[in-house]
Amino acid sequence: DAMVIQNPRYQVTQFGKPVTLSCSQTLNHNVMYWYQQKSSQAPKLLFHYYDKDFNNEADTPDNFQSRRPNTSFCFLDIRSPGLGDTAMYLCATSRDTEAFFGQGTRLTVV
Amino acid sequence: EDQVTQSPEALRLQEGESSSLNCSYTVSGLRGLFWYRQDPGKGPEFLFTLYSAGEEKEKERLKATLTKKESFLHITAPKPEDSATYLCAVQPPGGNFNKFYFGSGTKLNVKP
Repeated sequence: DAMVIQNPRYQVTQFGKPVTLSCSQTLNHNVMYWYQQKSSQAPKLLFHYYDKDFNNEADTPDNFQSRRPNTSFCFLDIRSPGLGDTAMYLCATSRDTEAFFGQGTRLTVV
Repeated sequence: EDQVTQSPEALRLQEGESSSLNCSYTVSGLRGLFWYRQDPGKGPEFLFTLYSAGEEKEKERLKATLTKKESFLHITAPKPEDSATYLCAVQPPGGNFNKFYFGSGTKLNVKP
């Protein structure tokens, strides 16, 4: 049973064209995260929600935004993707202990 | 400022050749340390949580240990299916306790 589901698995978008990635969870966890992972690098935390409270990392570009309309869903919006935003985007959930990840969305900006 | 450093970056083993992966961290008063396995093109899969120095956890051929400054993931008699990238993450204490900071991983390749 899938617990953290990300859609789409693969996304190709044009330079500057807005794109939205989605994440849903069936775990009823109160915390949801978005990570960016570039090839052979550590996952980098972009932001997280503790319930409805939004927490932005200091070095997350303004180009990246997020929405969490309810407990189950979270979205990552990239307003004007650049070539450097090509990466795997990982959604995760947690209830104060370990985090559980989705399968990721591989985003390619062309 | 790197909080988590993993070594080696890559490790090649023969099937059955035991070894250890290292994760060192600079966070004080660690709330938790986590090990994940990541297969190519997929999200990290949770393996272990360690909370205090001296703690050990085991699962099949894997054993994770924790000291005050580092953690080891010991792999005993590995098989080709153990090939993956192993990630370590730490959870700092206090107001940031919900955050996880990852190392860049050790890419393990087990040859038959």
